[in-house]
Amino acid sequence: SQTIHQWPATLVQPVGSPLSLECTVEGTSNPNLYWYRQAAGRGLQLLFYSVGIGQISSEVPQNLSASRPQDRQFILSSKKLLLSDSGFYLCAWRHSGRASDNEQFFGPGTRLTVL
Amino acid sequence: DQQVKQNSPSLSVQEGRISILNCDYTNSMFDYFLWYKKYPAEGPTFLISISSIKDKNEDGRFTVFLNKSAKHLSLHIVPSQPGDSAVYFCAASFTSGTYKYIFGTGTRLKVLA
Repeated sequence: SQTIHQWPATLVQPVGSPLSLECTVEGTSNPNLYWYRQAAGRGLQLLFYSVGIGQISSEVPQNLSASRPQDRQFILSSKKLLLSDSGFYLCAWRHSGRASDNEQFFGPGTRLTVL
Repeated sequence: DQQVKQNSPSLSVQEGRISILNCDYTNSMFDYFLWYKKYPAEGPTFLISISSIKDKNEDGRFTVFLNKSAKHLSLHIVPSQPGDSAVYFCAASFTSGTYKYIFGTGTRLKVLA
C-alpha cells in the first residue's frame, strides 16, 4: 500500500529565516506530486505540482520554491520567510498515467508559523 | 477569481437528519469533481467523486449530485452522525494533463447529538 509522509509536523520560524519542508511517498512510482497551502480561514490553494523528477510547475507567484530531486521526494523551500507564509502546508500525490484514478491522496500536513 | 465556491462557511445539522453541502463552479470545462473531508491539523481524506458524464454517485451514506447546466454539485449525507463533523471541501479538476484540483473554501459541518 502507498503512504505519504511529511515533516516536520509543526514549525515555528522567524521572519527572514529559510524553510525546507519535505514530502516523501512510498509504495508507488512516478507519482504526480502537489504542494498546497491552507491559510487561516481559507481554502486549499495549489502552490506547485510536479509530473516527474526535476519538473516543477508553479501556480502562484510567491516567496516559495519547490524541487523534486528524486522520484518520490518533493521539497518546498524558501530563502527568506515572510509573515504571510504562515499556514498549513499539505503535500499530495496521485497515480500518474491512470486516467481512471483521479483522486489525490494527502499527507498529514505541516503547520508553519512565521513570527 | 474563485472558480470553485462553497458559499456556506458553516452548517449545523441534528444527528440522524440529512446534511446537504453545496458547491458551485464557473469553468464548464471541469469534468471531474470530488469531495474531501478534513479534520483539524490533518490532511484531507477523499470521500466521493463524480465524473461529468454522470449526475449522481452514491457510496453508503454519501451521495454526490451534479447539475452541469447549473454548474452546481452537492453532497448529501444521510443519516448524519456526530463523527461527520469536519470541514468539507469540494474540488474540480480536468481528467487530462496534470489533474490539478481547484478547491472550494470549505464548509464546516457540525452534527449535533
